[in-house]
Amino acid sequence: QQQVKQSPQSLIVQKGGIPIINCAYENTAFDYFPWYQQFPGKGPALLIAIRPDVSEKKEGRFTISFNKSAKQFSLHIMDSQPGDSATYFCAASTIWGYQKVTFGTGTKLQVIP
Amino acid sequence: DAGVTQSPTHLIKTRGQQVTLRCSPKSGHDTVSWYQQALGQGPQFIFQYYEEEERQRGNFPDRFSGHQFPNYSSELNVNALLLGDSALYLCASSSKRLAGGNTGELFFGEGSRLTVL
Repeated sequence: QQQVKQSPQSLIVQKGGIPIINCAYENTAFDYFPWYQQFPGKGPALLIAIRPDVSEKKEGRFTISFNKSAKQFSLHIMDSQPGDSATYFCAASTIWGYQKVTFGTGTKLQVIP
Repeated sequence: DAGVTQSPTHLIKTRGQQVTLRCSPKSGHDTVSWYQQALGQGPQFIFQYYEEEERQRGNFPDRFSGHQFPNYSSELNVNALLLGDSALYLCASSSKRLAGGNTGELFFGEGSRLTVL
């Protein structure tokens, strides 16, 4: 059972554009929603994360929007750069207890100059 | 400060063989989780070790087993390899001690790429 659905599968934007990646979850027990960035040949690295008690979080050019009632969250990348070209994964887990992180299927982003 | 280190980086096995992958967590971390990432897919949780015990397990058969040592390093063992076990195996470390609970952040190694022929 896929508990975190992610779309789109791939995305191409021009430099300066604002790519948006969307995720939806099913398990209402989730209370921690991170986004990971993965470059080819590397492991995923935490980009930004949000708890469900806030609707938006910004860190630099990256913003998470969170809609608890719809069980959806999204990543926006402002002023995207070619160096942002990577695969992005949304994820969900619980903070307390023994942590099992459930990942989405990933979005391959290409930012063209 | 060394991050998460994994070995080997690449290996090739044949069906039916057994493999052992190793992981050293980030300094100060006490919890190790293992994930399997098939090509073009998101990481899938295999299991998590804390205080040398398996604490949570994903939907993986008993052919997948692990161990955590007193120095927090960990091993992943896969027996009776199948073609479908070909994947990138990722180790992630985190800390339960530093924040009095889960910090929520996983630090991943670069993975061990296993090819089963």
